[in-house]
Amino acid sequence: DAGVTQSPTHLIKTRGQHVTLRCSPISGHKSVSWYQQVLGQGPQFIFQYYEKEERGRGNFPDRFSARQFPNYSSELNVNALLLGDSALYLCASSLGAEETQYFGPGTRLLVL
Amino acid sequence: GEDVEQSLFLSVREGDSSVINCTYTDSSSTYLYWYKQEPGAGLQLLTYIFSNMDMKQDQRLTVLLNKKDKHLSLRIADTQTGDSAIYFCAESKTGAGSYQLTFGKGTKLSVIP
Repeated sequence: DAGVTQSPTHLIKTRGQHVTLRCSPISGHKSVSWYQQVLGQGPQFIFQYYEKEERGRGNFPDRFSARQFPNYSSELNVNALLLGDSALYLCASSLGAEETQYFGPGTRLLVL
Repeated sequence: GEDVEQSLFLSVREGDSSVINCTYTDSSSTYLYWYKQEPGAGLQLLTYIFSNMDMKQDQRLTVLLNKKDKHLSLRIADTQTGDSAIYFCAESKTGAGSYQLTFGKGTKLSVIP
């Protein structure tokens, strides 16, 4: 079975632009979480979605938004990009909302 | 301070055992996890332990949990060069309806041939 997939793998944007990152969970998983990993740090929680509803949000500004679709895939949107948004964005899926999370390969975003 | 703390570097010789330590703060965490990250890659789940267990063994991996001291360790037996990676400890937190993982900064394991 395929694991968590994310697209694109790499992305370069300039300050002020917006970006959309995509994630497909493991088949049968109904929850998707997003994390930001800045170089040299551990991942930081951004959002969790379960059954298309937002379950929680980390300490990130409103420029960050997300949604989950009926097929349980998810998009993370970031508006008005800042240099500090450069990071690896990781998507994780889990069977239920409070179950083990499995991570995808990530999307590496560079903001110039 | 950090919610989850780990030493940043560990160097071992091939064939030796590696022990990576972690301290966490949330005594209500139900599960604690170990993930592995290789250069340029995502996180690979290695193992996890339920908070009411003291030890879990899975092939070359042994996890020890001291709940009183909020201390978690990962022992890798017969360490191989392919084990060179960054290892993250993570505690689970529930709050305001979400289930989120809080990670340490990671321990970079270097295996010397």
